[in-house]
Amino acid sequence: KQEVTQIPAALSVPEGENLVLNCSFTDSAIYNLQWFRQDPGKGLTSLLLIQSSQREQTSGRLNASLDKSSGRSTLYIAASQPGDSATYLCAVPTNAGKSTFGDGTTLTVKP
Amino acid sequence: DTGVSQDPRHKITKRGQNVTFRCDPISEHNRLYWYRQTLGQGPEFLTYFQNEAQLEKSRLLSDRFSAERPKGSFSTLEIQRTEQGDSAMYLCASSLGAVRETQYFGPGTRLLVL
Repeated sequence: KQEVTQIPAALSVPEGENLVLNCSFTDSAIYNLQWFRQDPGKGLTSLLLIQSSQREQTSGRLNASLDKSSGRSTLYIAASQPGDSATYLCAVPTNAGKSTFGDGTTLTVKP
Repeated sequence: DTGVSQDPRHKITKRGQNVTFRCDPISEHNRLYWYRQTLGQGPEFLTYFQNEAQLEKSRLLSDRFSAERPKGSFSTLEIQRTEQGDSAMYLCASSLGAVRETQYFGPGTRLLVL
């Protein structure tokens, strides 16, 4: 059974800092890994989808990396802004498509 | 394309009442998923559909829960005889079908059972 862990559970940084969020998974036989953002009381917004054959995916100030062999993914956020404050979730789908989620990292960027 | 929509956005009900939620996926998406999320936790899978066929149900989905997608378009999730433990955010997602495709989530329905 796939298990997904995100550490730390919460992170507070000053504006402008670069930061890394971590996601680990127990079963390395994955198809892809998806990073989401969730604002309080809202649904999930897809940020990046990284296929199992890829090592990295980039979108603007966001960069996601994937190391299947070690069961890890990182989300790098450059030059953080207060608007980046949210909970960041990673998810790994099974072959049926349903996803196993981590519990997220809640990021606070202080002005 | 207006994205995935869910209705209602909020629902307050008394214990023992029945509630029904609706999800409208992105129009060309043939896979539709239901998840449940409680405070401080990641979403947990409940069930999913490929077109109108319900292909998998989690053991979290007790016999009080039923989901349908009658014409392969919108879906409904019904909870009968609600309990306080059913209080959660119910999220719907859709995708084009293949497991390699991005899942797109709706805004969720927040249920509070008093």
